Amino acid sequence: GGIITQTPKFLIGQEGQKLTLKCQQNFNHDTMYWYRQDSGKGLRLIYYSITENDLQKGDLSEGYDASREKKSSFSLTVTSAQKNEMAVFLCASSILGTGQLYFGEGSKLTVL
Amino acid sequence: AQSVTQPDARVTVSEGASLQLRCKYSYSGTPYLFWYVQYPRQGLQLLLKYYSGDPVVQGVNGFEAEFSKSNSSFHLRKASVHWSDSAVYFCVLSFTNSAGNKLTFGIGTRVLVRP
Repeated sequence: GGIITQTPKFLIGQEGQKLTLKCQQNFNHDTMYWYRQDSGKGLRLIYYSITENDLQKGDLSEGYDASREKKSSFSLTVTSAQKNEMAVFLCASSILGTGQLYFGEGSKLTVL
Repeated sequence: AQSVTQPDARVTVSEGASLQLRCKYSYSGTPYLFWYVQYPRQGLQLLLKYYSGDPVVQGVNGFEAEFSKSNSSFHLRKASVHWSDSAVYFCVLSFTNSAGNKLTFGIGTRVLVRP
């Protein structure tokens, strides 16, 4: 089996700050995703990547940047943190085309 | 447009009782459908999936789901719940369009199992 590791689990930042979340997977999956989870809204896709150095915008990409420098890692940057950004960010990976995702445990962002 | 509707935001059941969580989808093509579960302070885990064939699919921990093309539904069931089934359950639609493989999540149903 494999695992997805997200760091940090908890991230506290100031309004306007640039904040980065990291995700590592050892499944050797091609596709990786970043989702934002807000209570009562399900999961919304921020960015995904179908291979190393590929980036695709999701429905919620404004205010975020992403980076996929290696197949095993996918980073998400909040470019200027806002108080309404407090949410849980979930990283996932999948084999291309299957639709079945494997998730990390999440990173909870708090903006002061 | 594609969508997934989970009409019940919260469900409370007693331990040992049966559970049904409803899911309706909107998609004109052939859907791939999933149920994921999220336990407290954890990521989502796959419960079961439907690609084709037998409309009743078995999952982990005694869960099963039934696909109905005529009703555009994919309801999740368990005959007898345990307190450890308290979690949030997400119905997910997977489809492919010109932009590639896409996933649409329902908003989730929070299940509380009372002892």
